[in-house]
Amino acid sequence: QVQLQESGPGLVKPSQTLSLTCTVSGGSINSGSYYWSWIRQPAGKGLEWIGRIYTSGSTNYNPSLKSRVTISVDTSKNQFSLKLSSVTAADTAVYYCARVVVVGSLSRLWFDPWGQGTLVTVSS
Amino acid sequence: SYVLTQPPSVSVAPGQTARITCGGNNIGSKSVHWYQQKPGQAPVLVVYDDSDRPSGIPERFSGSNSGNTATLTISRVEAGDEADYYCQVWDSSSDLGVFGGGTKLTVL
Repeated sequence: QVQLQESGPGLVKPSQTLSLTCTVSGGSINSGSYYWSWIRQPAGKGLEWIGRIYTSGSTNYNPSLKSRVTISVDTSKNQFSLKLSSVTAADTAVYYCARVVVVGSLSRLWFDPWGQGTLVTVSS
Repeated sequence: SYVLTQPPSVSVAPGQTARITCGGNNIGSKSVHWYQQKPGQAPVLVVYDDSDRPSGIPERFSGSNSGNTATLTISRVEAGDEADYYCQVWDSSSDLGVFGGGTKLTVL
């Protein structure tokens, strides 16, 4: 059973770069038809999709964050990572990593499973 | 970009049926997925592909999708079903994940 675990600093200063890693266990990040994704949730608010990566390195990002986001993958470590630059207090949120199940065409994709989430606070 | 609209809250008495809607332009042509999120926990997939249930999810959870509205139905609601519920689609034209704003289900 695949499990995901986020790791990284819980506190980032304004204008700096937020960096998180998601470690995949219980299966290879290379196996099957999956994307790998980051999603965030500010306190008391809804879910916001950040972006996704395929193990080939192909990425796509939420247009609202695209200029500041980079998602990368390290298949040798069974990990994928998120970098968000020039952070502000508005980037304070719980950050989740998730596997994206891809079935058939691009119209059938869902997130399962999710990591437990990690709180990142942007503050000086 | 594609927008999904959910009611902020739904209330239901124990044992009754809860229906949570998710509106979107011609959403019936898309595959809709639903997540349950309890306080302090990560979201959990409860329905995928409009109406399929992952293993371990009770049969009380069901989904439908037609026209401009998708619906998550929870039958015989229990206190443990109290949670936030989110619908989700993949916007294939732009290859983006899209979530609804979420609905808080309160069990009276």
